[in-house]
Amino acid sequence: AQSVSQHNHHVILSEAASLELGCNYSYGGTVNLFWYVQYPGQHLQLLLKYFSGDPLVKGIKGFEAEFIKSKFSFNLRKPSVQWSDTAEYFCAVNAGAGNTPLVFGKGTRLSVIA
Amino acid sequence: DAGVTQSPTHLIKTRGQQVTLRCSPKSGHDTVSWYQQALGQGPQFIFQYYEEEERQRGNFPDRFSGHQFPNYSSELNVNALLLGDSALYLCASSSQSGGRGSTDTQYFGPGTRLTVL
Repeated sequence: AQSVSQHNHHVILSEAASLELGCNYSYGGTVNLFWYVQYPGQHLQLLLKYFSGDPLVKGIKGFEAEFIKSKFSFNLRKPSVQWSDTAEYFCAVNAGAGNTPLVFGKGTRLSVIA
Repeated sequence: DAGVTQSPTHLIKTRGQQVTLRCSPKSGHDTVSWYQQALGQGPQFIFQYYEEEERQRGNFPDRFSGHQFPNYSSELNVNALLLGDSALYLCASSSQSGGRGSTDTQYFGPGTRLTVL
């Protein structure tokens, strides 16, 4: 069975600091990888996704993620965070074939302070 | 272009009651998946509907059932509610048609917050 681990439960950063949120997954086959964000009071939104090709994926709002197959990792990065990035971030994976269920990590809460 | 919509927004029930939650998928999508998100946790897959049939199911008891209508909208029913069913219920829609890039992205609605007392 697939599983996803997010290493940090709560991260607190000052504005302009760099961000890296860890995500590791457990699955032996082809996977699709996602980062979703949940801003306070809002629904889950897709930040970025990886299906194949260039392992460095760029998403919305200046976020990017790198797929490292040998490490089963898909870490999320942003060079300079803003107060508006305060949110819950979820890493998710599904098997590569078809509309398979998403398996989510427990999420990382990011708090950006001025 | 309307996104995924869900109703109601909030619901309060007592133990033993039954509840029905509703979801309308994003325009052009034909597949609906339901997830349960407990407080402080990531969403967990309940089941998925396509062509009005349950196609895949997660590790949830038979008290959880669903339905998909010809217009692709869907309902989630939960019978004999338990306190532990209190959670945010999320609906996600996707499309089976098109290439791999379109079929594997699920878009989420705002959720229904269910509280069981």
